[in-house]
Amino acid sequence: GNSVTQMEGPVTLSEEAFLTINCTYTATGYPSLFWYVQYPGEGLQLLLKATKADDKGSNKGFEATYRKETTSFHLEKGSVQVSDSAVYFCALKDGGATNKLIFGTGTLLAVQP
Amino acid sequence: DAGVIQSPRHEVTEMGQEVTLRCKPISGHDYLFWYRQTMMRGLELLIYFNNNVPIDDSGMPEDRFSAKMPNASFSTLKIQPSEPRDSAVYFCASTDSVTGNNSPLHFGNGTRLTVT
Repeated sequence: GNSVTQMEGPVTLSEEAFLTINCTYTATGYPSLFWYVQYPGEGLQLLLKATKADDKGSNKGFEATYRKETTSFHLEKGSVQVSDSAVYFCALKDGGATNKLIFGTGTLLAVQP
Repeated sequence: DAGVIQSPRHEVTEMGQEVTLRCKPISGHDYLFWYRQTMMRGLELLIYFNNNVPIDDSGMPEDRFSAKMPNASFSTLKIQPSEPRDSAVYFCASTDSVTGNNSPLHFGNGTRLTVT
C-alpha cells in the first residue's frame, strides 16, 4: 500500500542554519505530495505541494522538489528562524478520486536563537 | 471564514465514560476527515465522509468508536466506553472536491482527550 517515511526528529538547529527534512514515499501510480506544518497547540496547515514529477513546491522560504526517480520529496530551507519551530509532516494523496491523505510520522524542528 | 471548528478543546474523563467530540467543517466543503494523533502512532486516519456519507472507516480502532455526520455542517466522533489508551489529540479536517483533486485539507485545532 501507499506509505510515507520521513526522518525522525527532533531536528535542532541554530537560527539561520540550513534545513533539510527527508521524505520518501511508496505509491502506485502518480501521487500528489504535500508538506504540512503543525505549530504548537494548533492543527496542521498546508505548507506546500507538488502534483507531478519535477514540480517544485515553495512557500515561506521552504522548498521541496518531487523526485520520481528517487521517490523523494525532501523539505529544505536556506535559513531557518525561531518561528519555524514546529512539527513538519510529509504526506501523499494517490491519483484516485478520493481526497484521502496519508501522512508520515512527523519531524519536530526546534530552532534556537 | 472561521475555519474548521472543533469542540471541546480539552476533555478529561474517567475510564468507562462516553465521550463525544464535535466538528463543524468549513462551509461548502464536501469531505470531512477524523484523525487521531499520538506520540507512538503519529497521525492516523480514523474515518472520512463525502457528502455526509461514510466512505472509509477502516481506521476506526474498534466498535467502541463511532462517527456520524447528520448534515453538511456537523459531525461527531463518539467513544463508548472510553479507555485510557484512547488518550490522544483528535483532529477534524475538511476539504472540497470542487477546486480540484489536490485541494488542501483544512484542520481544526483538535480536541485533546485524556482518559484516566
